Amino acid sequence: AQSVAQPEDQVNVAEGNPLTVKCTYSVSGNPYLFWYVQYPNRGLQFLLKYITGDNLVKGSYGFEAEFNKSQTSFHLKKPSALVSDSALYFCAVIMGGGNKLTFGTGTQLKVEL
Amino acid sequence: DAGVTQSPTHLIKTRGQQVTLRCSPKSGHDTVSWYQQALGQGPQFIFQYYEEEERQRGNFPDRFSGHQFPNYSSELNVNALLLGDSALYLCASSPGRWDTDTQYFGPGTRLTVL
Repeated sequence: AQSVAQPEDQVNVAEGNPLTVKCTYSVSGNPYLFWYVQYPNRGLQFLLKYITGDNLVKGSYGFEAEFNKSQTSFHLKKPSALVSDSALYFCAVIMGGGNKLTFGTGTQLKVEL
Repeated sequence: DAGVTQSPTHLIKTRGQQVTLRCSPKSGHDTVSWYQQALGQGPQFIFQYYEEEERQRGNFPDRFSGHQFPNYSSELNVNALLLGDSALYLCASSPGRWDTDTQYFGPGTRLTVL
């Protein structure tokens, strides 16, 4: 069965520092990978997706993610974190047969001054 | 351009009751998916509607049912509510039902079952 894992429940980073939120996947075949962000009491906002092509994907709000097939990872990154980036981040995967998203458990990002 | 809208925002029901949640997709989108997000967890796929038919279903009991209307809006119905049905219910729309289509989410409906 397809799945994604987010190994860190929480990530803390100082404002201005680079941030990384980790995601690994387990699917057979070629995955389609997504990152979403959720602010308190809000729905999910789409950040970026990897379908094919360039392994480095650029998305909204300065976020980017790197697809690494050999390590089965799709880590979310941002060169310089903002306090306003503090939120819950979800990695998700689609693997064939229609676009049913399977989500990870989420990583709480806290950016401090 | 309005995004995905959902109603109501919050809902409180008691065990055994029935509930209907509503969703209007983003303009130009014809596919609607529903997800359940329990507290502290990632969203879980319930089902997807396309061309007024249920095209895909997750691991949810038959108490969960839905409908899609000709204008692509959708309803999620839950019968015989259980305490465990308390969750944030998210609707997502996409311009198609292909794997590569991005799903855009609404703000959700918070259901509390007492």
